[in-house]
Amino acid sequence: EVQLVESGGGLVQPGGSLRLSCAASGFSFSSFWMTWVRQAPGKGPEWVANIKHDGSEKSYVDSVRGRFTISRDNAKNSLYLQMNSLRAEDTAVYYCARAKWNFDYWGQGSLVTVSS
Amino acid sequence: DIVMTQSPDSPAVSLGERATINCKSSQSVLYSSNKKNSLAWYQQKPGQPPKLLIYWASTRESGVPDRFSGSGSGTDFTLTISSLQAEDVAVYYCQQYLSTPYTFGQGTKLEIK
Repeated sequence: EVQLVESGGGLVQPGGSLRLSCAASGFSFSSFWMTWVRQAPGKGPEWVANIKHDGSEKSYVDSVRGRFTISRDNAKNSLYLQMNSLRAEDTAVYYCARAKWNFDYWGQGSLVTVSS
Repeated sequence: DIVMTQSPDSPAVSLGERATINCKSSQSVLYSSNKKNSLAWYQQKPGQPPKLLIYWASTRESGVPDRFSGSGSGTDFTLTISSLQAEDVAVYYCQQYLSTPYTFGQGTKLEIK
């Protein structure tokens, strides 16, 4: 059974940093592109970033480029999102999802709240 | 960026009746390499992540009931639920994956009349 479990969310002040993790199991993690999608309260999902199965390609939405970094450790079956210079508008549930384009498996999400 | 616009916002449909949700993209999402439309549909229930229903505009994801179907091409797409069940009450999103940033529609909240 495919499982994706996010962790690392919480309350952080504006300008602060957080690192999200996503532990994957039940599939060959190193064979799949992986993606982070976020969803602000009461809003629709927003694609944030993705990374190729070997980590050689990465893409970001403009609003996070230069502040967020997506990475992965295939030996640990884990996906990461390093978030720096956080802003109030980054407040959202952050989901990791499998695949590059259409996302067939999602985690339950990790809530990130940016507030003073 | 490709803008995805859904309509209607909050339809109410009777149980057993057909429900139709529309999605329009600001430019064609036809993927030239395979001549398929890079359009997916998701269902989201409260407190849950989105669930993939349809991809390539009309391919049903494994395990999705066949009352769900997708159609359309180019810039205009439709998700149809042929006979609405109580468990279909949810918010539905379309998403384009032709080019980054991959963008979602604003959502359609489907309710029972």
